[in-house]
Amino acid sequence: QSALTQPASVSGSPGQSITISCTGTSSDLGGYNYVSWYQHHPGKAPKLMIYDVSKRPSGVSNRFSGSKSGNTASLTISGLQAEDEADYYCSSYTSSSTLVFGGGTKMTVL
Amino acid sequence: EVQLLESGGGLVQPGGSLRLSCAASGFTFSSYAMSWVRQAPGKGLEWVSAISGSGGSTYYADSVKGRFTISRDKSKSTLYLQINSLRAEDTAAYYCAKSPAYYDILTGYYYPKPDYYYAMDVWGQGTTVTVSS
Repeated sequence: QSALTQPASVSGSPGQSITISCTGTSSDLGGYNYVSWYQHHPGKAPKLMIYDVSKRPSGVSNRFSGSKSGNTASLTISGLQAEDEADYYCSSYTSSSTLVFGGGTKMTVL
Repeated sequence: EVQLLESGGGLVQPGGSLRLSCAASGFTFSSYAMSWVRQAPGKGLEWVSAISGSGGSTYYADSVKGRFTISRDKSKSTLYLQINSLRAEDTAAYYCAKSPAYYDILTGYYYPKPDYYYAMDVWGQGTTVTVSS
């Protein structure tokens, strides 16, 4: 199972919006509405930001939103804040009943 | 408070074995699927394995199938990962993680889904496995 494809890095200024893409295939991301997004600050435990494509867990800011079109999912962060700087990973359920992560995107707040 | 505490990591020679444990607290352990995810040094997250709330269904990444075994003990609220035939590429921080509850929009309540392992909402701090001679 190949990893989902994410850009290596994205950046934005405080207050701006950024979008991180995550591309898979019809055997994973495109075939199921089980896409999740995680925020990971190095040395800390990853944090679930979005699951089932667009659902936000309790306590996660509504500045974070998720969507999907075809084989590509997106995470949008609006009103960028300094504390949003982190690595972001997408994941998806696959036709093999496994999960697959993306390679990760380093998000920098300028 | 929901907490997950991993243990059992360490330095092991190639071909060796380890058993990782994850002690859970603050939730009804048997009502939630659980997963193991690892991160090799300088690399991204890699899903390793998942197990249903009952323990009756298990799932593995191709990279570990046949070498790793996931299990759980309801009486001890503990998740395990038995790792055999260790290779250098298994060197990583291993995280255990819990699956989220299902939010019923009609009732406004959260319900556990023991067979849902497609996302992970609570993670432990990780335990490190180093495979080296």
